[in-house]
Amino acid sequence: QITLKESGPTLVKPTQTLTLTCTFSGFSLTTTGVAVGWIRQPPGKAPEWLALIYWDNDKRYSPSLKTRLTITRDTSKNQVVLTMTNMDPVDTATYYCAHRHKDGNNWYTFDHWGQGTLVTVSS
Amino acid sequence: DIVMTQSPDSLAVSLGERATINCKSSQSVLYSSNNKNYLAWYQQKPGQPPKLLIYWASTRESGVPDRFSGSGSETDFTLTISSLQAEDVAVYYCQQYYNSLLTFGGGTKVEIK
Repeated sequence: QITLKESGPTLVKPTQTLTLTCTFSGFSLTTTGVAVGWIRQPPGKAPEWLALIYWDNDKRYSPSLKTRLTITRDTSKNQVVLTMTNMDPVDTATYYCAHRHKDGNNWYTFDHWGQGTLVTVSS
Repeated sequence: DIVMTQSPDSLAVSLGERATINCKSSQSVLYSSNNKNYLAWYQQKPGQPPKLLIYWASTRESGVPDRFSGSGSETDFTLTISSLQAEDVAVYYCQQYYNSLLTFGGGTKVEIK
């Protein structure tokens, strides 16, 4: 049974750096063909994909946020960490982590999601 | 980026009636090498994360009722709820995963008329 859970601050000030942790179980991020991604969703708006980290430690970032994002993993703790620098009120959103995998050469989309964590950016 | 455009923004359907949601991608999401459309549909209820309903444009995720169906290819896709139930009230999103720069549509809110 795959589960993911996000943790981190609920309130950050403008210009600060946000650090979020995704703790997962039911799979290993060292297994070939597995990835964990971060997605955010501002209140009342559509989800927006942020970053992906693959089983081989390859990483992908949203082009519009690439300069502000860093995704890393700690395989011993089954955790993925996302940092976002220079936070702004427009970054207020629920932040989710999610699992995806591939079967042969076919990548599937996000099939398991955490419950999300609401991050508010305000002074 | 591949831009996903959904229509309508919202719709109200009577219980037991059909609901149809459209999604258009700015470029084809069909991989010719495996003939698969990298298009998914999610359902999101208030306070919950998105739930995967359909992937490969038409394959239902395990446990999803068969009143949900997906169709379409290349750039034009449809999610159909054949007989709307009260528990289907939600926002529905399409998403492309053709490349690693995944993108979502703006969402369609489904309500009971």
